[in-house]
Amino acid sequence: AQKVTQAQTEISVVEKEDVTLDCVYETRDTTYYLFWYKQPPSGELVFLIRRNSFDEQNEISGRYSWNFQKSTSSFNFTITASQVVDSAVYFCALMLYGTSGSRLTFGEGTQLTVNP
Amino acid sequence: GAVVSQHPSRVICKSGTSVKIECRSLDFQATTMFWYRQFPKQSLMLMATSNEGSKATYEQGVEKDKFLINHASLTLSTLTVTSAHPEDSSFYICSASPLPGLNSPLHFGNGTRLTVT
Repeated sequence: AQKVTQAQTEISVVEKEDVTLDCVYETRDTTYYLFWYKQPPSGELVFLIRRNSFDEQNEISGRYSWNFQKSTSSFNFTITASQVVDSAVYFCALMLYGTSGSRLTFGEGTQLTVNP
Repeated sequence: GAVVSQHPSRVICKSGTSVKIECRSLDFQATTMFWYRQFPKQSLMLMATSNEGSKATYEQGVEKDKFLINHASLTLSTLTVTSAHPEDSSFYICSASPLPGLNSPLHFGNGTRLTVT
């Protein structure tokens, strides 16, 4: 069975601080994808990144960076110099391919609050 | 722009009535569509998966007679909450994919906030 754990339920930081959101996943499959989504209060899911299981290269996109380590089954997300607009719930998700097609399993989410 | 359109964005209905939510893929034909439910301050839980040309596959614990899913065409899936009750109040969000494989992109609608009074 697959599982995604985001141990941090809520994180509160002051603007300009760096913050790391943790994500640990479980799967027996060797082929899978990992995602991060941002969900602002309006509810829509904003896609941030997609990474396949064979690509452990870390990625940086502006203030965002991701650290994928298969050895620890982790896919952590760091926001550098956080801003108030970063306040949202962030979800880590795991995609596997099964008999019904691809299925996405979400973590419980981390509520990030960036205070001015 | 949005590639998956979900309608309505908000709906309030009375207990006992049925509500239909539409999910449309705008730029592609969606062979696979997913429906998720999200209760306040909780994660998104997959309710069902539908593949074009076949019936929806429901997750354990999801009542298929209560949550009717119809993958009506390659660009439209509908979720009908039948005989809605206050406990069905939730945020429902769909996603669509042009191909069933892992490599296919996954697009989400903006969600529907259902309130049953």
